[in-house]
Amino acid sequence: NAGVTQTPKFRVLKTGQSMTLLCAQDMNHEYMYWYRQDPGMGLRLIHYSVGEGTTAKGEVPDGYNVSRLKKQNFLLGLESAAPSQTSVYFCASSPAWGNEQYFGPGTRLTVT
Amino acid sequence: DAKTTQPPSMDCAEGRAANLPCNHSTISGNEYVYWYRQIHSQGPQYIIHGLKNNETNEMASLIITEDRKSSTLILPHATLRDTAVYYCIVRVAGGSSNTGKLIFGQGTTLQVKP
Repeated sequence: NAGVTQTPKFRVLKTGQSMTLLCAQDMNHEYMYWYRQDPGMGLRLIHYSVGEGTTAKGEVPDGYNVSRLKKQNFLLGLESAAPSQTSVYFCASSPAWGNEQYFGPGTRLTVT
Repeated sequence: DAKTTQPPSMDCAEGRAANLPCNHSTISGNEYVYWYRQIHSQGPQYIIHGLKNNETNEMASLIITEDRKSSTLILPHATLRDTAVYYCIVRVAGGSSNTGKLIFGQGTTLQVKP
């Protein structure tokens, strides 16, 4: 049982490049989330999904898109990366109506 | 969701109990108190949650005051591996309108010292 995994662990992008971060969970959870964490700050919710085929905006959605084509996967896309998107990105999942969220190990992204 | 207030940092001696306070004076009747922690460079980890009764699990105990305006997370025998940022979060659990969103504040940085 791997829990929540994230790919890649590290990435460096140039301004304007695009990329997709992959989150996978093997716990059959309905809900999945993408957060970003900047130095000295708590996590901020980017987008979330309450089930396969559904997505919704969180606190800081601008510049990101998401897709949940399969229940176990939640993809976060950056179409045109900007230096302000330099951050650590965490994915999480939770059961429907669940309490605790399970987090992945994070993806450290640098945009130059 | 109600706002929480935590001290920015605390120290604890290894082997002693760590008591982390949290104020949530505007908590509503249907809001739970959750605790997560984040060890350096790792994803947050769920610790415990409660509504109004005290709770205990293998990791910690949660003491909620009778008026529910504050709570304390207790790590009974802190180890060096418990050094982390601890987040106290108040939110509604369950229900058709709940999306499970967590609002992370600044948390308390707990330093366990040998």
